[in-house]
Amino acid sequence: DIQMTQSPSLLSASVGDRVTITCRASQSISTWLAWYQQKPGKAPKVLIYKASNLEGGVPSRFSGSGSGTEFTLTISSLQPDDFATYYCQHYSSYSFTFGPGTKVDVK
Amino acid sequence: QPQVQESGPGLVKPSETLTLTCTVSGGSISDENYFWGWIRQPPGKGPEWIANIYYTGSTKYNPSLESRVTLSGDTSKNQFFLTVNSVTAADTAVYYCARVTYYYDSRGYRVVFPFDIWGQGTMVTVSS
Repeated sequence: DIQMTQSPSLLSASVGDRVTITCRASQSISTWLAWYQQKPGKAPKVLIYKASNLEGGVPSRFSGSGSGTEFTLTISSLQPDDFATYYCQHYSSYSFTFGPGTKVDVK
Repeated sequence: QPQVQESGPGLVKPSETLTLTCTVSGGSISDENYFWGWIRQPPGKGPEWIANIYYTGSTKYNPSLESRVTLSGDTSKNQFFLTVNSVTAADTAVYYCARVTYYYDSRGYRVVFPFDIWGQGTMVTVSS
C-alpha cells in the first residue's frame, strides 16, 4: 500500500507570508495527487488536483508542484481565510490515501 | 449543483453493526461519469478512505477495513449505504460520503479526479 507523509505537521505563519507544505509518497504516484483544505467542522475542500491543477474557484495564490514521490503546496501570500489544515491525497480509480495533515496557524 | 447528504444513528454500542446512508440529489448514482465513496475522520485525526461504489454496483474497499465493511446502493432511491460490523471505539468518527468524477481518455484509460462534492458529515460515536 502507498503511504503518504507530510511536513511540517504544524506551521505557524503570518498574513502575507509565503507558505510551503511538503508531501511525500512511499512510492511513485506520477502526478496523481490532490491537496485539500479543511476548516473545523467542515468537510475537506479540494484545492489542487493532478499535482498542479487548480480546482475551479480556488484563488491563484495556491499552487502545487511535484511528481513521482515528492510534492509541494505553496500559498504565495497567506490570507486570513487560509488558516486551516491541509491534506495531501493520492488518488486512483481504486484507492485513495490521505496524508496526516499540516495545520497552518497564526504566528 | 449535485449534493450528497449523510444520515445515521449517531450512537452505536460496541460490537454492534453501524449502517449509514448517503442520499444523492441533483445527480444519479447510476451516472457512468461518477463513482461514490465513504471517508471517515476520527476526532483530531486526518481523513481515511473507506470504500467506493461504482455505477455498475461494483465496490472497492480499503484493505484495512475490508473484512468489516460492506457498501451497497439503491438506484431507485438514489442512495448508497455503508455497513460496518463489530464496531469498536476506534470506529468513532465523522463519516462523509463524496463524489468522484472520471472520464476515459483517447487511449481508453480512466482519468480520475479527487473527491469533489462532499456531504457535511455525520458524527458516529461508539460507546456503551
